[in-house]
Amino acid sequence: DAKTTQPPSMDCAEGRAANLPCNHSTISGNEYVYWYRQIHSQGPQYIIHGLKNNETNEMASLIITEDRKSSTLILPHATLRDTAVYYCIVRVISNFGNEKLTFGTGTRLTIIP
Amino acid sequence: KAGVTQTPRYLIKTRGQQVTLSCSPISGHRSVSWYQQTPGQGLQFLFEYFSETQRNKGNFPGRFSGRQFSNSRSEMNVSTLELGDSALYLCASRPDRLNEKLFFGSGTQLSVL
Repeated sequence: DAKTTQPPSMDCAEGRAANLPCNHSTISGNEYVYWYRQIHSQGPQYIIHGLKNNETNEMASLIITEDRKSSTLILPHATLRDTAVYYCIVRVISNFGNEKLTFGTGTRLTIIP
Repeated sequence: KAGVTQTPRYLIKTRGQQVTLSCSPISGHRSVSWYQQTPGQGLQFLFEYFSETQRNKGNFPGRFSGRQFSNSRSEMNVSTLELGDSALYLCASRPDRLNEKLFFGSGTQLSVL
C-alpha cells in the first residue's frame, strides 16, 4: 500500500499562505491523493483530492508533482480557524472494489496571530 | 442538512463490559464507515456498511461488530471491553460506496477503566 510521509508540525503566520508537504513516493498510477483535516474535538473534514493535475477549490489548492511522488496542500490565506491536524492520504481501490484509506500521523498546523 | 450525528458523545465503561455506539448518517447517505482513533495508532478503519450489509472490514478482532438498519443508521458494538479499546470512535457517511468524500461525525469518546 502506498504510504505517506508528512512533517509532524508546522507554524504559519495568520494571513500568509500555508504550504503543507506530503511525500507519497510509492503511489500507483490510478491512486488519488486526498487531504483531510481534523480540528480539535471534531471528526476529520474533507479538503481536496487529485490524481495528477493541480486542483483548486474554495478551501485550498493541491499541487501534485509531475512524477506524482509528492504533493503540497496550499491554504492561500491562513486564519486561526485553520489550526488543525492535516492528513495526506492515498486512496487505494482494490480489485474487489474495496477502498482503503490509510491516515498517517498528519501535520499539526498552528496558525500564529 | 444535518451532519453525521453520533451518540453518545462520551462514554465510560469498565473492562469486560460491552458497549453500543450509534451513528445517524446525513440524510440520503447510504454508506456508513467506522473508524477508531487513538494517539498511538492514529485513525484506523473498522468496517463499512452499505444497504444493511458489511462491505469492507479492517483488521480488528471479532469483538468489534456493527450493523446497519434500513434507514441507513448504524450501530457498532464492542464486547468484552479491554483497556486498549479506549479511543475516539468516528463514523463517516457518504451517498454511495466509493463516493469521493467522507463526511465524519464528531465521534464518541470511549474510556475503558
